[in-house]
Amino acid sequence: QQQVKQSPQSLIVQKGGISIINCAYENTAFDYFPWYQQFPGKGPALLIAIRPDVSEKKEGRFTISFNKSAKQFSLHIMDSQPGDSATYFCAASISTGRRALTFGSGTRLQVQP
Amino acid sequence: EAGVAQSPRYKIIEKRQSVAFWCNPISGHATLYWYQQILGQGPKLLIQFQNNGVVDDSQLPKDRFSAERLKGVDSTLKIQPAKLEDSAVYLCASSISLAGGPNEQFFGPGTRLTVL
Repeated sequence: QQQVKQSPQSLIVQKGGISIINCAYENTAFDYFPWYQQFPGKGPALLIAIRPDVSEKKEGRFTISFNKSAKQFSLHIMDSQPGDSATYFCAASISTGRRALTFGSGTRLQVQP
Repeated sequence: EAGVAQSPRYKIIEKRQSVAFWCNPISGHATLYWYQQILGQGPKLLIQFQNNGVVDDSQLPKDRFSAERLKGVDSTLKIQPAKLEDSAVYLCASSISLAGGPNEQFFGPGTRLTVL
């Protein structure tokens, strides 16, 4: 019940296109859903996060869409750039007690120029 | 603001040897996490500290892994003896952990361990 399932495993997008990565969770106690970006040789960096009381959050070119009833959330990267090429991880956690993140398996995004 | 510091960045050891990793979290962050990231997978929690107390170590292989956080600041993670399957990146993260607040965790660059 602690799993977070992420798809696709890899994604190739043309420069200027929209990248979409999807995640699904099982534990309804999760109440914090961040997305992390990781470049080779670096630690994950927080990109954007959402709480379940809103259905969408936008920060620049990055948008999280959240569907509480379906237990799904997704990351949309608008106007994708070659510099966005990285591995993206969705995650989920509970805000009280054990607050450790449960990560998805990652999506390797490649934006072609 | 300085980020999470980790050392060493890389370590190569033979199986059955021991190894230790060090983490210095962001100043003022009460919660510290150690995650294991196997190549091609997402990070998985090993242990979580709140100040110098353990909150969750349910996924720590306690027959070979140990961790401590002295004085509620720096932390060390030790593996003894190492196995081939311990080859991974060991990530340290920290968060402020205000009650009910967002669980923003900040990660260090990790230590890449190779066990031969």
